[in-house]
Amino acid sequence: QVQLQQSGTELVKPASSVKISCKASGYTFTSNYMHWIRQQPGNGLEWIGWIYPGNGNTKYNQKFDGKATLTADKSSSTAYMQVSSLTSEDSAVYFCGRGGYFDYWGQGVMVTVSS
Amino acid sequence: DIVLTQAPLSVSVTPGESASISCRSSKSLLSSKGITSLYWYLQRPGKSPQLLIYQMSNLASGVPDRFSSSGSETDFALKISKVETEDVGVYYCGHRLEYPYTFGAGTKLELK
Repeated sequence: QVQLQQSGTELVKPASSVKISCKASGYTFTSNYMHWIRQQPGNGLEWIGWIYPGNGNTKYNQKFDGKATLTADKSSSTAYMQVSSLTSEDSAVYFCGRGGYFDYWGQGVMVTVSS
Repeated sequence: DIVLTQAPLSVSVTPGESASISCRSSKSLLSSKGITSLYWYLQRPGKSPQLLIYQMSNLASGVPDRFSSSGSETDFALKISKVETEDVGVYYCGHRLEYPYTFGAGTKLELK
């Protein structure tokens, strides 16, 4: 069955970076877009961007261009998102979601930015 | 950016009754391919969102047929008939018509 397993909770300092992962299983990783979505505390959903693991192509929400960097490792069927220059505004849960419909989601990674 | 406005922000429903949630788009979501790019998701408390409806009216795999969706190019409605305990959570509409993809603010469904 399709599963997206994300890495664990992160507590990071302001101005630093964090890299979170999303390991896919149960389907052909290289043939499906992987999207990333942010949910700030008590707020709704924001689309960050996608990566197509088959060729590494990416597309970002302009709001996150330069803030988030998406990569993928075909050998381990794992997608990554690095978020840089962290501020308190980046404290959120970050989800990965499969394909154009977001038909499967990871369990989310809570990132807390605090000194 | 396309703005999706959901109403109401919260709804309280007696189990077994029906509920309806509205989603209004600032732009037509009908694509040049004739597909209406409107999706519905449910986020249960403490869980990840799950896909309920894709392309305005198609039920996602495993979703009970108590859920249905309809609409025009800019106005959409999710209907839940015979609400059950497991339907509690926040419902989001979202689109894929153009970048950036956006979501509505969410509608919280509670039981009376």
